[in-house]
Amino acid sequence: GQQVMQIPQYQHVQEGEDFTTYCNSSTTLSNIQWYKQRPGGHPVFLIQLVKSGEVKKQKRLTFQFGEAKKNSSLHITATQTTDVGTYFCAGCRGNEKLTFGTGTRLTIIP
Amino acid sequence: DVKVTQSSRYLVKRTGEKVFLECVQDMDHENMFWYRQDPGLGLRLIYFSYDVKMKEKGDIPEGYSVSREKKERFSLILESASTNQTSMYLCASSSGTSGRAEQFFGPGTRLTVL
Repeated sequence: GQQVMQIPQYQHVQEGEDFTTYCNSSTTLSNIQWYKQRPGGHPVFLIQLVKSGEVKKQKRLTFQFGEAKKNSSLHITATQTTDVGTYFCAGCRGNEKLTFGTGTRLTIIP
Repeated sequence: DVKVTQSSRYLVKRTGEKVFLECVQDMDHENMFWYRQDPGLGLRLIYFSYDVKMKEKGDIPEGYSVSREKKERFSLILESASTNQTSMYLCASSSGTSGRAEQFFGPGTRLTVL
């Protein structure tokens, strides 16, 4: 079946440093979504990417979809304590169901 | 405001008990999903439903069943709970007929099986 892997599993950064999480699929995806789960909370949708090579920005967050549509990244510039949480990517192939990645848990050292 | 609710935030059951987890959404969404979340394993799909009375197995359906008698309600059933089913269970819903739509999650039920 479709596999979606994320690295790293954990990341600790000093407040103000940048952070990147990477998502890799074993198959070509039709779209990729990113979710954020705050500690004690539930996943909340952030964004969807559909086109090959697409780049989208939300304030300090930059999302990228690879040219081959098999990988994606989320980059946060100058992290803040509000960025703490676990970030999940999720992709689907054609009209199949979403498959979630394993997640990257971000902690911020003030 | 979009809402997915789950019947309990915390649940403690004994091995062998039958367990019902209920999920209700108020968005008139066609699709509903049950996931379990375990450290290091991310979100794994147990079952999903794209219409009333319809269900499809996800990646880890063993030991679980589901019921969808009404569009807004999707129940997860553990016929005979076991300790390896201790986990966080998340319900989600989405609109449309494909897997592309954004999913809205409930707050989760943390189930402990003793």
